[in-house]
Amino acid sequence: GAVVSQHPSRVICKSGTSVKIECRSLDFQATTMFWYRQFPKQSLMLMATSNEGSKATYEQGVEKDKFLINHASLTLSTLTVTSAHPEDSSFYICSARVVSPYNEQFFGPGTRLTVL
Amino acid sequence: AQSVTQLGSHVSVSEGALVLLRCNYSSSVPPYLFWYVQYPNQGLQLLLKYTTGATLVKGINGFEAEFKKSETSFHLTKPSAHMSDAAEYFCAVSERNNDMRFGAGTRLTVKP
Repeated sequence: GAVVSQHPSRVICKSGTSVKIECRSLDFQATTMFWYRQFPKQSLMLMATSNEGSKATYEQGVEKDKFLINHASLTLSTLTVTSAHPEDSSFYICSARVVSPYNEQFFGPGTRLTVL
Repeated sequence: AQSVTQLGSHVSVSEGALVLLRCNYSSSVPPYLFWYVQYPNQGLQLLLKYTTGATLVKGINGFEAEFKKSETSFHLTKPSAHMSDAAEYFCAVSERNNDMRFGAGTRLTVKP
């Protein structure tokens, strides 16, 4: 099956710093990747849809200036949490959509962000 | 637009008992249906999917699900629960040219 990696798996940072999370499709090309946020014991919340070569589409309520998304190649999307604060602490998961009629997504292992 | 409802945010079963996780969907066209499993601090792993053809779908780890159009359901079952099945399970639906929508998730607890 298709493999998606995320890096780092865990990051701890000080309040006010920026953190970049990478999402890579390892064995396929993904024109579309998704970024989700998940709070403890809750479902996935879609933050934004990342399209290769164009601007990301953000869901309502998600600050695009705070969560910068770049999808510069068909295998890499990055999420940068700018000026992170403790309330940004969460589990961030990316997925990549396989080109097929079924819109199937393959998920990365997630990144645990803790902002002190 | 398509949507998914998972009945029961938490299901608890004894080891060896039947596992039944419920999922109902809403879709204006024939849907594509998925079940994912999430272990603590990990991403989502695909258990099984229904796209077309046979309505009873078998997945990994002994799980299976049946697409019932008349009931708009896609319930996940496993005949005998194992301790390692304890996890969060998500049902999802997609349509052609529409992105995937996830249910709220069901946490499965397996008691020894």
